[in-house]
Amino acid sequence: NAGVMQNPRHLVRRRGQEARLRCSPMKGHSHVYWYRQLPEEGLKFMVYLQKENIIDESGMPKERFSAEFPKEGPSILRIQQVVRGDSAAYFCASSLLRDIVGGEQFFGPGTRLTVL
Amino acid sequence: QQQVKQSPQSLIVQKGGISIINCAYENTAFDYFPWYQQFPGKGPALLIAIRPDVSEKKEGRFTISFNKSAKQFSLHIMDSQPGDSATYFCAASQRGGLTFGEGTQLTVNP
Repeated sequence: NAGVMQNPRHLVRRRGQEARLRCSPMKGHSHVYWYRQLPEEGLKFMVYLQKENIIDESGMPKERFSAEFPKEGPSILRIQQVVRGDSAAYFCASSLLRDIVGGEQFFGPGTRLTVL
Repeated sequence: QQQVKQSPQSLIVQKGGISIINCAYENTAFDYFPWYQQFPGKGPALLIAIRPDVSEKKEGRFTISFNKSAKQFSLHIMDSQPGDSATYFCAASQRGGLTFGEGTQLTVNP
């Protein structure tokens, strides 16, 4: 029973480059959430997606960040023109449903982004 | 309104003791309160969760106590073990993205 998969696990980018982070939810899960964890800080919600729809992007920075969850394939978090402040661990979670029962979010191992 | 405040920031407990971590929230629309455990370099793992219509939930050595009127909830780890040493996060949601507390670094000494 594969859990949430994220790749790459580590990503190094230079300032100004693009970062693409991928997330494959647990089998049967159609709800995906992205979170960011800055060094020595807690997790901050970024965006909530269902297949082909963005449900809540209230935690996404207004510029340079975008997310998608296409009908086929993994969810992608894209960061354009990365800056040093983007260095963080990015976690993806998935849930079966949105309801309280079945809405438990299971996290992947994260992608650690380092911007040089 | 969206904050979840967690305390203490760090906690040291002797093996066999009880670890207690507290959280308080402001948004009365929150209806789901999970606790996560995170080891260094790993993703958070769901430990236990509670709904606001229940005052207590127990799973093994882990118990959540929930006080709806005070808008507070806490995690109790009974018979704490060195393997429980990790960072613990409380969270809350309204059936969407989770709002996390700041985290508690628990150390259980042998």
